[in-house]
Amino acid sequence: AQSVTQLDSQVPVFEEAPVELRCNYSSSVSVYLFWYVQYPNQGLQLLLKYLSGSTLVESINGFEAEFNKSQTSFHLRKPSVHISDTAEYFCAVSATSGNTPLVFGKGTRLSVIA
Amino acid sequence: DTGVSQNPRHKITKRGQNVTFRCDPISEHNRLYWYRQTLGQGPEFLTYFQNEAQLEKSRLLSDRFSAERPKGSFSTLEIQRTEQGDSAMYLCASSLATGYQPQHFGDGTRLSIL
Repeated sequence: AQSVTQLDSQVPVFEEAPVELRCNYSSSVSVYLFWYVQYPNQGLQLLLKYLSGSTLVESINGFEAEFNKSQTSFHLRKPSVHISDTAEYFCAVSATSGNTPLVFGKGTRLSVIA
Repeated sequence: DTGVSQNPRHKITKRGQNVTFRCDPISEHNRLYWYRQTLGQGPEFLTYFQNEAQLEKSRLLSDRFSAERPKGSFSTLEIQRTEQGDSAMYLCASSLATGYQPQHFGDGTRLSIL
């Protein structure tokens, strides 16, 4: 079984400041790792994913995450946030045995302050 | 690609009533997942289908819950004799089943029990 811990439930940050949202996971098998974003009253959108290869993965809107196997972490970072980044962010894992259900963390509410 | 469609978007009902939600996946996707998200929590897996076969059910899916996917197209999730604790957002996701494919989420159905 897998589990995901998102260490911060809320992260307030000023516009144009950097941010890091932390995610740690636990699993007895190999996993794929994901970050999803959820805007109010909407479903989840895939932000980025780690399947294999380079441990640093990037999204098209400036977010990046680094897979650290020894620390079982997959923290999400952005060097300069915008008001539009205000949303709920969820870290998730699934076993690599093939399209298994996702296991999500409880989420981190990112609030960008003007 | 019209995305995953869920109906209704909102459902308000009295305790003890039955409710049914519908999910229309992306047309070529043969895997379909149901998740439940309560306030302040990440989505939790309920069940998933490959084509019309229900492959896995979570312990969260009590006897009052039933899901179907006739003909491997749309899916329905029914809750009988609703309880206050059923109030949540019910999310549907779909994916292809070959190799690893990301899950695409709908905007969810928000259920409120009076």
